[in-house]
Amino acid sequence: NAGVTQTPKFRILKIGQSMTLQCTQDMNHNYMYWYRQDPGMGLKLIYYSVGAGITDKGEVPNGYNVSRSTTEDFPLRLELAAPSQTSVYFCASSYSKQGAQPQHFGDGTRLSIL
Amino acid sequence: AQKVTQAQTEISVVEKEDVTLDCVYETRDTTYYLFWYKQPPSGELVFLIRRNSFDEQNEISGRYSWNFQKSTSSFNFTITASQVVDSAVYFCALSEASGSRLTFGEGTQLTVNP
Repeated sequence: NAGVTQTPKFRILKIGQSMTLQCTQDMNHNYMYWYRQDPGMGLKLIYYSVGAGITDKGEVPNGYNVSRSTTEDFPLRLELAAPSQTSVYFCASSYSKQGAQPQHFGDGTRLSIL
Repeated sequence: AQKVTQAQTEISVVEKEDVTLDCVYETRDTTYYLFWYKQPPSGELVFLIRRNSFDEQNEISGRYSWNFQKSTSSFNFTITASQVVDSAVYFCALSEASGSRLTFGEGTQLTVNP
């Protein structure tokens, strides 16, 4: 079972570049989430989606965009990369609303902005 | 607003010692869910346990046990007879039933030395 798959695993960007972090899940989960984890810190929610075509902001959405055209995919877009966005990014999914079911996490994307 | 505090930033023990990781939470909801996740050095997040606010029974799973006390807003995690493979960062997290956010504590780095 693949679960939640994130690509790429590592990436280095220059300031001002853009990129898309890919996330796909094969569990037919409605809910999907993007988090960032800064060194020595817990995870903070960037954006989440409760189903195809529906997205909403989390705690730290500035500088990011998302889309959810299918149940399986939930890409995260950085338009103008800034050093403050250097972090590890985790995508997660769950069958139902937060709490009712645990989230399943991808292995993370380590992103460095130089 | 919901908040999770893990006051212990780092804990170091010798193999076979018992260790307790503390978690204190704040929420205004009467219905909520508490989680523990493990993040080993490889970086992925592993779900350990979910507990809802109406179930204060302690739970034991092998060497792991959890003590949930609503009176003190705590959800502590004990590892009995620790092993080197238990070395990881452990996160406590909270989700309110009314919302869609999973709030993480900042994590406790547990090092088990041989």
